[in-house]
Amino acid sequence: SYELTQPPSVSVSPGQTASISCSGEKLENKYVCWYQQRPGHSPVLVIHQDTKRPSGIPERFSGSSSGNAATLTISGTQAMDEAEYYCQAWDRSTVVFGGGTKLTVL
Amino acid sequence: QQQLQESGPGLVKPSETLSLTCSVSGDSISSSRYCWGWIRQPPGKGLEWIGNIYYLGNTYYNAALKSRVTISVDTSRNQFSLRLTSVTAADTAVYYCARQIGYSGSSGASDMWGQGTMVLVSS
Repeated sequence: SYELTQPPSVSVSPGQTASISCSGEKLENKYVCWYQQRPGHSPVLVIHQDTKRPSGIPERFSGSSSGNAATLTISGTQAMDEAEYYCQAWDRSTVVFGGGTKLTVL
Repeated sequence: QQQLQESGPGLVKPSETLSLTCSVSGDSISSSRYCWGWIRQPPGKGLEWIGNIYYLGNTYYNAALKSRVTISVDTSRNQFSLRLTSVTAADTAVYYCARQIGYSGSSGASDMWGQGTMVLVSS
């Protein structure tokens, strides 16, 4: 079955840039989206179709994709961005989630 | 503003059937712009997709759960439902319903989620 691989954790200092990767076979041929999940809350879509930001999502969130990896970038990271982040893609007719990355803002 | 709300029993016995309903408010579930889905999250773990349904009834299921899962839609009540049979402790999770934009199989992404409902499988 198809797999998406994320680093378990990423740390960043406030105001700095955080990058979270998501890798998968032939990922360049798939659309990737990203969700933010704060503890005790439902996931929130922050990026879809690799690079599109839904209405209401701050501009500091951006997405990119190249080769077998997609990246979620958070510029000027704030304390409120501390959360779990999941990537997602479709493989054939199945939704696949990455294992999640815990972003810590130190 | 559209909202989704899950409802159903919080406790299900092993080998029985888990049934949940998602009520959609603020828009019609019959909109061709959206697909409707279920995702679950075991305690302390990541997200697991269960399946999606379009208002006309065509469905997509997680292959690992397909033999036990049925997702249906009731346009008259603006709701969609999940049935998961023969549950075990491994099915204990927070269950979310969600609205999907984009296209299943390619660009589909869940842009609106319910608050989630915890289901414990235990005797």
